[in-house]
Amino acid sequence: EAGVTQSPTHLIKTRGQQATLRCSPISGHTSVYWYQQALGLGLQFLLWYDEGEERNRGNFPPRFSGRQFPNYSSELNVNALELEDSALYLCASSLGQGATEAFFGQGTRLTVV
Amino acid sequence: AQSVTQPDIHITVSEGASLELRCNYSYGATPYLFWYVQSPGQGLQLLLKYFSGDTLVQGIKGFEAEFKRSQSSFNLRKPSVHWSDAAEYFCAVGRSSARQLTFGSGTQLTVLP
Repeated sequence: EAGVTQSPTHLIKTRGQQATLRCSPISGHTSVYWYQQALGLGLQFLLWYDEGEERNRGNFPPRFSGRQFPNYSSELNVNALELEDSALYLCASSLGQGATEAFFGQGTRLTVV
Repeated sequence: AQSVTQPDIHITVSEGASLELRCNYSYGATPYLFWYVQSPGQGLQLLLKYFSGDTLVQGIKGFEAEFKRSQSSFNLRKPSVHWSDAAEYFCAVGRSSARQLTFGSGTQLTVLP
């Protein structure tokens, strides 16, 4: 069974541009989570999507946004990129209500220059 | 709000020695607790989890953890460390399930030959 897949693996963007990161959850999982792992800041919760709806977001500015598609895959968009957005972005998926385990993808390394 | 503290940023042990990584959490009710491991540039792999019941839980790769409510702790242990265990270890807490986790800052483990 395929795990959580993220694309691209690496992404290099210029300050001010937009970045789009993609995530395909494990088959049967309806919830997708996005986390940012920036150097020195640890793993921070970004966004949670379930059944196509945004359920919660972490303490990030509105230029971080995303969506979940009918097939439960998800997209994270970061507008007006800043240097400090450089980080590993991890996507995770889980079953819905009462999920007991979240599975993580390998991440997308975003570098803003 | 829930929080997780991993007091040890970096731990070095010799191969074959025992290991204990500390984790303290802050949460009003019985939390869902997790330990994840991350190899360089990779995603997170779940080692073990605790929801209820037996406070000593067994995980993969020979790891175990003990939930101590009185100390708000969930320390990870392994009786004999292998060189392949060198990685970063994260403790995490979930409010009512495995959804939207709060992570500690991580402990980097170095294993000496």
